[in-house]
Amino acid sequence: QKEVEQNSGPLSVPEGAIASLNCTYSDRGSQSFFWYRQYSGKSPELIMSIYSNGDKEDGRFTAQLNKASQYVSLLIRDSQPSDSATYLCAVKETSGSRLTFGEGTQLTVNP
Amino acid sequence: DAGITQSPRYKITETGRQVTLMCHQTWSHSYMFWYRQDLGHGLRLIYYSAAADITDKGEVPDGYVVSRSKTENFPLTLESATRSQTSVYFCASMGTVNYEQYFGPGTRLTVT
Repeated sequence: QKEVEQNSGPLSVPEGAIASLNCTYSDRGSQSFFWYRQYSGKSPELIMSIYSNGDKEDGRFTAQLNKASQYVSLLIRDSQPSDSATYLCAVKETSGSRLTFGEGTQLTVNP
Repeated sequence: DAGITQSPRYKITETGRQVTLMCHQTWSHSYMFWYRQDLGHGLRLIYYSAAADITDKGEVPDGYVVSRSKTENFPLTLESATRSQTSVYFCASMGTVNYEQYFGPGTRLTVT
C-alpha cells in the first residue's frame, strides 16, 4: 500500500508569516510530486509540481523535494488570508498514471 | 470553453436508482479519472482510463461503472445507488507530458 502522509493540522499562521507544509511518501521510485490547494466546497487546484531534487519557486510558493529522504514540502511566504485552504500533497506512482493523495493539511492565515 | 466540466453539479437521488455523472474535457488528455471525496477518507480513486475504450479499477470501484467511447468524455454510472455513495465526485484529466492532473468542479451527490 503506497502511502502519502502529511503533517497533521490544522495549521494556523499570522498574515505575512511563512507557512510550511510537509509530506512524506513511501514509494521510493516516485518521480512526480504535486501540491494542490482546495478551498472549502471547491475542487482541488494544482499549484505546484516538482520532479527533481531541490527547490522550485513560483511566486510566493516554493516546493522542496528530497527523494533520498522521501520528503516533499511546500513553503508559502508572506501568507495571506486568501491562502487559507486545505493543501493536498500528491505523488504519482512509479509506473502508471495514478496519484496517491495525502489527507491534506488545513491552513488558516489569520489577519 | 477549454477545460474540464462536470454535470450535474448537484444531484439528489433515491436508493436503488441509477444515476450517471458526466465529465467532459477539451484538452484531448489521454487520461481521465474519477474520485470521490468524503470526510475522513480524503480523495479516493474510483476508476480511471488511459484512452478511449481502456478503463481500469481504482481503489473503490464497487457499485460503479464507467465507459469511455470518446476521448473527451468519461461518464460514471451508479447502477443502483446506495446511501454510502453519498459523496462529492471529482473528475480529473491528465496529459502525458508532465502528468499534471486537473480537476473538474465536482458533483455533490446525495442518495436518500
